[in-house]
Amino acid sequence: NAGVTQTPKFQVLKTGQSMTLQCAQDMNHEYMSWYRQDPGMGLRLIHYSVGAGITDQGEVPNGYNVSRSTTEDFPLRLLSAAPSQTSVYFCASRPGQKTIGYGYTFGSGTRLTVV
Amino acid sequence: GESVGLHLPTLSVQEGDNSIINCAYSNSASDYFIWYKQESGKGPQFIIDIRSNMDKRQGQRVTVLLNKTVKHLSLQIAATQPGDSAVYFCAENIRGYNKLIFGAGTRLAVHP
Repeated sequence: NAGVTQTPKFQVLKTGQSMTLQCAQDMNHEYMSWYRQDPGMGLRLIHYSVGAGITDQGEVPNGYNVSRSTTEDFPLRLLSAAPSQTSVYFCASRPGQKTIGYGYTFGSGTRLTVV
Repeated sequence: GESVGLHLPTLSVQEGDNSIINCAYSNSASDYFIWYKQESGKGPQFIIDIRSNMDKRQGQRVTVLLNKTVKHLSLQIAATQPGDSAVYFCAENIRGYNKLIFGAGTRLAVHP
């Protein structure tokens, strides 16, 4: 199993550009989430999904869109990039049932810089 | 590597000592809590979790304590090693919403 795979690992965007951060998991996990982590800070929830076709907003959803057409993939779209969106973005997944010992598994992150 | 933990509170311990990292949570509807470890340049790594109907849970060298009365969570690391140096985050699952919210984090620095 590859776990949670995020692409690209690094990206530089110009203000106003749009792009999609990819996230895929091969563990058949129902739950998936996107977080951003600013330098020296904790993780903030952007959007999350509890299954294919179901998404919901987290703490900081503005400027981002998500969709969940399959169990495996959960892409994050930046509609019009702004310097305030410079951050490290993490995707995570977990099984749907709250079995003890199954915290979210995180990807290695996408480091995004908006200039 | 990235500057994870640059502005976070730091706990400094001697190698071999026990470490206690604390976390306060705010939502009384949280039903599940997780501790994560994050090393520089990496994603968070699951350490241990606990349900809200439990007070204590033990893993290998780690123990999580939950005090629901004061909404407090702690992570105890026994015989702290240099490899334990990282930023530690607690996270709470909001019942009914199935979303995981992270706390601010604490940087653990282990000195020889």
